[in-house]
Amino acid sequence: KNQVEQSPQSLIILEGKNCTLQCNYTVSPFSNLRWYKQDTGRGPVSLTIMTFSENTKSNGRYTATLDADTKQSSLHITASQLSDSASYICVASGGSYIPTFGRGTSLIVHP
Amino acid sequence: EPEVTQTPSHQVTQMGQEVILRCVPISNHLYFYWYRQILGQKVEFLVSFYNNEISEKSEIFDDQFSVERPDGSNFTLKIRSTKLEDSAMYFCASSATGTLGDTQYFGPGTRLTVL
Repeated sequence: KNQVEQSPQSLIILEGKNCTLQCNYTVSPFSNLRWYKQDTGRGPVSLTIMTFSENTKSNGRYTATLDADTKQSSLHITASQLSDSASYICVASGGSYIPTFGRGTSLIVHP
Repeated sequence: EPEVTQTPSHQVTQMGQEVILRCVPISNHLYFYWYRQILGQKVEFLVSFYNNEISEKSEIFDDQFSVERPDGSNFTLKIRSTKLEDSAMYFCASSATGTLGDTQYFGPGTRLTVL
């Protein structure tokens, strides 16, 4: 069964600090991995998309990495801001478009 | 900036009633999706739609669910006979091409409460 596991479940950091969120997936065959930011009560917003042949993708202060061999991805947030407080969701898709979502990492940035 | 819109923002219904959730995708997009998120749980894929046909659907999308593009702008999700467990936030999304690297844009969601 396809699964996506994210860690940590929640994270609290101080404004200005960096953090890294982890994602492990078991999706086969694998085609792409997406990271989304979801504010409470809102729809997810796409941060990065990586196909199986890509190792890294950046979007401003967000940098995602992908290791298709170990089936791991990470999302690094640089110089965190209060507005980064949200849930960060990892999504893996296989050969057909039926995505598997992780439960998300809840990030809280304190001033 | 173009965005996906959804109506209503909150729908309350009695168990067994039919509900229709409405979405207006971004105007030049060709691929449309419905997802749901039960409170406190992860987002789940329901269905994808292209060229007036269902492209993919998950196990959740059973005979109680149907989708339609009734005109050139709206995309609807119908639940024929709602159950308590259908209570969730329902998100519509759209993308331009549906290819592997294509960005999906989500709407703000409709919160469905089944009593």
